[in-house]
Parts: sequence; structure tokens; C-alpha cells
Amino acid sequence: EAQVTQNPRYLITVTGKKLTVTCSQNMNHEYMSWYRQDPGLGLRQIYYSMNVEVTDKGDVPEGYKVSRKEKRNFPLILESPSPNQTSLYFCASSWGGDTGELFFGEGSRLTVL
Amino acid sequence: GQNIDQPTEMTATEGAIVQINCTYQTSGFNGLFWYQQHAGEAPTFLSYNVLDGLEEKGRFSSFLSRSKGYSYLLLKELQMKDSASYLCAVGSYNQGGKLIFGQGTELSVKP
Repeated sequence: EAQVTQNPRYLITVTGKKLTVTCSQNMNHEYMSWYRQDPGLGLRQIYYSMNVEVTDKGDVPEGYKVSRKEKRNFPLILESPSPNQTSLYFCASSWGGDTGELFFGEGSRLTVL
Repeated sequence: GQNIDQPTEMTATEGAIVQINCTYQTSGFNGLFWYQQHAGEAPTFLSYNVLDGLEEKGRFSSFLSRSKGYSYLLLKELQMKDSASYLCAVGSYNQGGKLIFGQGTELSVKP
């Protein structure tokens, strides 16, 4: 089954404690992206990757890092989480960047205390 | 930069037709998407328009006018399960790889 898998789905953590949200897709998509979704602000792009070892900033990259060492994986790293990073995070992939249908993971709800 | 506007909320009656509008401003337009998102779930793809005109897919249709920076999503024969948020998203050549989403339109379908 074609899917995008994120982990963890839910996490409560404390300020400053490094965490990684993993994302893996099994569709051999070149394009992967991370979004955060907040009430009243919609989906905002954090980082995206057009291919292995190619990453670029989205609209809200501050406080986040990503890596793309393999085609299937695109982890999101919060080196020192802060409360303003409390949000619902979605990973997505597609065959064609901004011209391809995005397949979304189920979302990761992160709370930073 | 890019700017996308869509109404925040809409209400419609089961069995009726509803039109959700989206206006956008962007340079190097590279296509417009509509996604559906039920509460607590991930967005799912509905349609993609890159040329002017109407794309029909079952009960859902999407229209694009590039000259006006305007799109709409038309939902016919509304069902209760159509209650969801509808997201308009635009890609741009000048922003290669970036897809910008509108804030979404929350549609409530009443009996």
C-alpha cells in the first residue's frame, strides 16, 4: 500500500529537549516536504526536498532542520524545541514537486511545555 | 510573494450545490490544487488545474481562470460526509518546489 508514515503520532516534550520526527514514503517519490498546521494559519511549509541531498527552506524554517540522505526518508529535527513549535506536523511526498499530487502522512501532534 | 484568499467558513444544506472560491496572486503560476481535510485527518488530493477551464470529477469540479487569478471548487449533491476543510494551494515557477496553501474553507453541511 502506498503510504507516508510519520512517527511519533503524538508527543509531549519539554523546552530544549532535542527531538526528531521521522517520515518515510514507499512510493519512490523524489519530492518530500514538511508542513505545520496551526489554527487560523493553515498549512505552512517548513522545509522541502527535491531529491536526495537537496533540501530548501520553506516559509517557516526557523528552529528546524532536515536531512535527505535516502530517497524514502525525510526526518524533521527540532534541536531545541520551544513552546511556539507546539503544532500539528505533516510530512508529504509527491512525484513532481509543486506540480504533483501530495500524499500526506497522518500527522504528528507535538506539544512543547 | 504569493497570496491566497478563500472564505473562512461556509454552510450548505445536504443535497445542495456549493461553490468555494479561491483567489491568488503569484508570479510564475505553476498550477492550483484543491485538497480536502476532515477534522483530525491529513489532507487528501481532490483536483489539479494548470490550464483555464473546468475539470470535472464525479460530484466535484474545479475551475481555473489564470488571467483573473481565480479558482473555485464546486461540490454537487452535498452529503454530510462532505463537511470538511477545503484547502486551495498554488505552485509557482519562481518558488520552485514550494506549494503555498490558503487557510482553508471550513464547510459545514446541514441536514
